[in-house]
Amino acid sequence: EPEVTQTPSHQVTQMGQEVILRCVPISNHLYFYWYRQILGQKVEFLVSFYNNEISEKSEIFDDQFSVERPDGSNFTLKIRSTKLEDSAMYFCSSGGLGYTFGSGTRLTVV
Amino acid sequence: GQQVMQIPQYQHVQEGEDFTTYCNSSTTLSNIQWYKQRPGGHPVFLIQLVKSGEVKKQKRLTFQFGEAKKNSSLHITATQTTDVGTYFCAGPSNTGNQFYFGTGTSLTVIP
Repeated sequence: EPEVTQTPSHQVTQMGQEVILRCVPISNHLYFYWYRQILGQKVEFLVSFYNNEISEKSEIFDDQFSVERPDGSNFTLKIRSTKLEDSAMYFCSSGGLGYTFGSGTRLTVV
Repeated sequence: GQQVMQIPQYQHVQEGEDFTTYCNSSTTLSNIQWYKQRPGGHPVFLIQLVKSGEVKKQKRLTFQFGEAKKNSSLHITATQTTDVGTYFCAGPSNTGNQFYFGTGTSLTVIP
């Protein structure tokens, strides 16, 4: 069964550093999403991406965040100048007839 | 802004008992999705409901979309330990490009 692949599975970074989270969506899906989930809380939408551009972003997705699809397969989330409160699981999802989530990247900012 | 609430937040049941989680949106939804997240895992898409009053079944799971398309429910018959996890509903924004997840119901099944 097709999968959404996310790397790394766990990232520890110093506060103020930049991180790039990577995702390989399912190849024939057209819609891509990033979500985050703070431990024990609900899943929060960050951004959706379609046709190589952002289609919608949430209030969380401020100038600190950016997304790219650099090579037609990878889908990246960049977080600049990380803060302690950015510590969370970050999930990538892609959509076709259904929506498939990757296994996530656990980001820990210290 | 748009909100999606779920009740209960937690539910403990004996194995074999039934379980229901309810999802309520502050706005009318074009569709609603349900996900299951096992402890330490990622959300797994279960189903999408589109039509008013729609009822869909997946084995022991029954999903319902309200007539007004503002609420939904998931009912599990005769729970098993494999049903353990958090069940989330999610509804789209008016544009359909953003999804609002519910607060989730964490199910514990006691053997």
